[in-house]
Amino acid sequence: KNQVEQSPQSLIILEGKNCTLQCNYTVSPFSNLRWYKQDTGRGPVSLTIMTFSENTKSNGRYTATLDADTKQSSLHITASQLSDSASYICVVEAGSYQLTFGKGTKLSVIP
Amino acid sequence: DVKVTQSSRYLVKRTGEKVFLECVQDMDHENMFWYRQDPGLGLRLIYFSYDVKMKEKGDIPEGYSVSREKKERFSLILESASTNQTSMYLCASSRTLAGGSYEQYFGPGTRLTVT
Repeated sequence: KNQVEQSPQSLIILEGKNCTLQCNYTVSPFSNLRWYKQDTGRGPVSLTIMTFSENTKSNGRYTATLDADTKQSSLHITASQLSDSASYICVVEAGSYQLTFGKGTKLSVIP
Repeated sequence: DVKVTQSSRYLVKRTGEKVFLECVQDMDHENMFWYRQDPGLGLRLIYFSYDVKMKEKGDIPEGYSVSREKKERFSLILESASTNQTSMYLCASSRTLAGGSYEQYFGPGTRLTVT
């Protein structure tokens, strides 16, 4: 069964600090891996999409990494801001509209 | 910018009522999706459509049906609402990227409460 596990479930950090969120997956076949940001009460918004051949992708202060051999991905947030407070969802596509969603990491950035 | 809109942000319905959730996208996307999101469970796919009048069951289609009569509009129907259908409902649309993958754009969600 395809699975996506995210850790930690929740995280509290001080404004200005960096943090890293983890995603482990057992999805086959692998097509791509996505990270979404979801603000409370809103729909998810795409941050990055990485295919098998990509091992790093950045979107502003967000940097995602992918290790297809170990089936692990991370999302690194640099110099966090209050507006980074949200849930971050890791999603792996197996192709043909087959998406497996992680349960998300809830990040709280405090002043 | 892609815009995906949903007809209501909040909805309260009674058990047994027929409920319609509407989703409209303005980017001429072929693919449209309906998900529900529950605490501790993440997003789960209910139905998706890859073309007008085409639909495919997702992981949890029971108790739901869909309609796609026009490319820009995808409706989710709860034939007889039940309390276990209380949830956040998210619509998404997508275009196909090079290599066959696609990028999804989500609507703001409809929080449905069935009493």
